[in-house]
Amino acid sequence: DTGVSQDPRHKITKRGQNVTFRCDPISEHNRLYWYRQTLGQGPEFLTYFQNEAQLEKSRLLSDRFSAERPKGSFSTLEIQRTEQGDSAMYLCASNPPGLSTGELFFGEGSRLTVL
Amino acid sequence: DQQVKQNSPSLSVQEGRISILNCDYTNSMFDYFLWYKKYPAEGPTFLISISSIKDKNEDGRFTVFLNKSAKHLSLHIVPSQPGDSAVYFCAASEAGGGADGLTFGKGTHLIIQP
Repeated sequence: DTGVSQDPRHKITKRGQNVTFRCDPISEHNRLYWYRQTLGQGPEFLTYFQNEAQLEKSRLLSDRFSAERPKGSFSTLEIQRTEQGDSAMYLCASNPPGLSTGELFFGEGSRLTVL
Repeated sequence: DQQVKQNSPSLSVQEGRISILNCDYTNSMFDYFLWYKKYPAEGPTFLISISSIKDKNEDGRFTVFLNKSAKHLSLHIVPSQPGDSAVYFCAASEAGGGADGLTFGKGTHLIIQP
């Protein structure tokens, strides 16, 4: 499977715990995005990487959230001190050079449930 | 405030007929519009796009129409097939390529009846 891969697919945690999600983009896709989707809503932009550089961050990304893409390949999204409002589907998407930045290839998502 | 609005949460259409999904936007800086399709337990999949310099773009059974003065776009699917049953998201980005990310609507659940 050469699509965008996300792990874990589902994470259940207690409020206050830290969680980390991993995204492996399609090979040679230099642009990587994180989105969040809550029930009944469309995906909401969180952050964007071009290679290893984090170029954009949404105001939705509070200081409890941190994302990295250390070698310009896979990326991690960490949420510290989780709150019930963090329960959502976290979607990763990638995009290759030369293609419109709007045409994203999404992974299947990592669903977070905070109890 | 929702900058991209899909006012119909669901739409039911008979197989073989035309499906028309609507989308309105408020941000006049948007200049690139896309439709994504999402099946349950899968991520969204890019379907079709249109630049603000055009008013129509076709790809097989799918056509997107853009009315800039009305800040309205629509997706037409002709003929509708059972595999088209999915949630459809309208999305938009501002000039400059969308590095700030796409702004999505809430989606319309299209159900194709046999």
